[in-house]
Amino acid sequence: NAGVTQTPKFQVLKTGQSMTLQCAQDMNHEYMSWYRQDPGMGLRLIHYSVGAGITDQGEVPNGYNVSRSTTEDFPLRLLSAAPSQTSVYFCASSYSLEYNEQFFGPGTRLTVL
Amino acid sequence: GEDVEQSLFLSVREGDSSVINCTYTDSSSTYLYWYKQEPGAGLQLLTYIFSNMDMKQDQRLTVLLNKKDKHLSLRIADTQTGDSAIYFCAVRAGNNRKLIWGLGTSLAVNP
Repeated sequence: NAGVTQTPKFQVLKTGQSMTLQCAQDMNHEYMSWYRQDPGMGLRLIHYSVGAGITDQGEVPNGYNVSRSTTEDFPLRLLSAAPSQTSVYFCASSYSLEYNEQFFGPGTRLTVL
Repeated sequence: GEDVEQSLFLSVREGDSSVINCTYTDSSSTYLYWYKQEPGAGLQLLTYIFSNMDMKQDQRLTVLLNKKDKHLSLRIADTQTGDSAIYFCAVRAGNNRKLIWGLGTSLAVNP
């Protein structure tokens, strides 16, 4: 199993550009989520999904969209990038919402100029 | 609201024990977790404890839970340089199943 994969590893955007961060898992997990990690702020939940076709907002959803058309994939879209979205983004998955272990991807380091 | 607090930094000598502490506010928390993040990598679950347990031991790791004081600790015995990482405490809230994260404790192990 590859586990949770994320692409790209690094990305630089200009303000106003759009892009999609990719996340895929091959463990047949129902629950997937996106976090951002910023110095001094810890991990903050952006969006999550409890299964294909079902998504919901986390604590910092503004400026981000998600969709879940398959169990495997959970892309995160930035519609119009802002410098405040400079961060490291982690995708995570687990068997279910209540399941103990979340598996994290390696992260995408995004810089918005 | 629900909150999880950790000290931000800890420095120990190689071979000593490390104790990383965490306090939380939600008394109905069910599961409490310790995750490890190595430089440039994602988080990895180290261990977890259910709220009806006081202690859990797993090789060099010992987790202690004091429910009365809402205090969780992670002890790493015989700390090695490979243990240098950020350690996150996370608590699953009892009512809404949300996972609440601490800010992480950066552990530095000096040779």
